[in-house]
Amino acid sequence: GAVVSQHPSRVICKSGTSVKIECRSLDFQATTMFWYRQFPKQSLMLMATSNEGSKATYEQGVEKDKFLINHASLTLSTLTVTSAHPEDSSFYICSARGLAGGQETQYFGPGTRLLVL
Amino acid sequence: RKEVEQDPGPFNVPEGATVAFNCTYSNSASQSFFWYRQDCRKEPKLLMSVYSSGNEDGRFTAQLNRASQYISLLIRDSKLSDSATYLCVVGGNNRKLIWGLGTSLAVNP
Repeated sequence: GAVVSQHPSRVICKSGTSVKIECRSLDFQATTMFWYRQFPKQSLMLMATSNEGSKATYEQGVEKDKFLINHASLTLSTLTVTSAHPEDSSFYICSARGLAGGQETQYFGPGTRLLVL
Repeated sequence: RKEVEQDPGPFNVPEGATVAFNCTYSNSASQSFFWYRQDCRKEPKLLMSVYSSGNEDGRFTAQLNRASQYISLLIRDSKLSDSATYLCVVGGNNRKLIWGLGTSLAVNP
């Protein structure tokens, strides 16, 4: 099946720093990418939806100036957590949707665990 | 009322047992339905899509009841490796996916 990669898989940073997470679709072109956040024992919460070449659409309650999303190509989207705080510590997962094997499919990246000290 | 509701469990069953999970959704205009599996500290992985006619994949059977707005997942002859959290996911006509909180399953030897 199609593969979505995320980098880094785990990051620890100091409060106030910025962290960039990359999401790549490796063998298909992702027309749409989704960024989710999951806190322990919680469901996946959609943060934003991004289409290649256009601005991301953020869900209610998600600060667009804090969570910067760039979807520069059909295979790469980045999420930058700016001025990270301990409450931003979470599991961030990207998901890419596009045509793979002739069928529209959505696949998840392996996730990035962010710990802000 | 939550958009997608599941019994969080945990369900503790012995190997070989049959276990069933239900999920209800609130938006009658929902158009796509899925069951995902999520292992501890991992990303969700698609287990199966759910079709109106019901569908089966090996030991797993999924059914959709649009009138009552619920989805079910049946696991037969459960294995230790089936232990995970099972997420019910519903997609609307805007193609946005709404996720349930998940049902935790522990299969014991």
